[in-house]
Amino acid sequence: DAGVIQSPRHEVTEMGQEVTLRCKPISGHNSLFWYRQTMMRGLELLIYFNNNVPIDDSGMPEDRFSAKMPNASFSTLKIQPSEPRDSAVYFCASSAGTEILALHFGNGTRLTVT
Amino acid sequence: AQSVAQPEDQVNVAEGNPLTVKCTYSVSGNPYLFWYVQYPNRGLQFLLKYITGDNLVKGSYGFEAEFNKSQTSFHLKKPSALVSDSALYFCAVRETNAGKSTFGDGTTLTVKP
Repeated sequence: DAGVIQSPRHEVTEMGQEVTLRCKPISGHNSLFWYRQTMMRGLELLIYFNNNVPIDDSGMPEDRFSAKMPNASFSTLKIQPSEPRDSAVYFCASSAGTEILALHFGNGTRLTVT
Repeated sequence: AQSVAQPEDQVNVAEGNPLTVKCTYSVSGNPYLFWYVQYPNRGLQFLLKYITGDNLVKGSYGFEAEFNKSQTSFHLKKPSALVSDSALYFCAVRETNAGKSTFGDGTTLTVKP
């Protein structure tokens, strides 16, 4: 079991640039979650998918953020254009879908926007 | 709506002493409760969960937690703390038929030698 794989681990970009974060969930897991972690706001759920379909995107901060899950083994979170306040650690997590099962988190992408 | 509160931002204990990290929750239905641990520069790792049955659940690394329905609490405990237990701990709740978990703000545990 390779776990949830996120790339890149670190991303430094300039304000206004497009940023794409990538996630490969655990094989067989049908729910995928994107979280953002900051010192000020803690752990925030941005969006989650069930069977590749976005279920709840109410946590997406604004239209600059978008997420896709084209298939069961890949998801992206895109920020366009990026701003310094987007600097955070972004986590992807997956689960087998039922509410009694725990989430499996990747090691995150640390995004710095200058 | 579901919610979780971790009333302590920081817990400090001496190595070898028992530790408790507190968590209270609010749900409208039956709760599924989880504890996760986060080490520096890593994602959250699952420690233990309560779904149903015995109120005392045991998890990884010697941790346990007690579900108390009347007090709506799910405190994390360990009889004898290790320096290596120092980390950030998150409590989470998920209601029956809820698609997502709600996490607390986290408690930083520091175990001193």
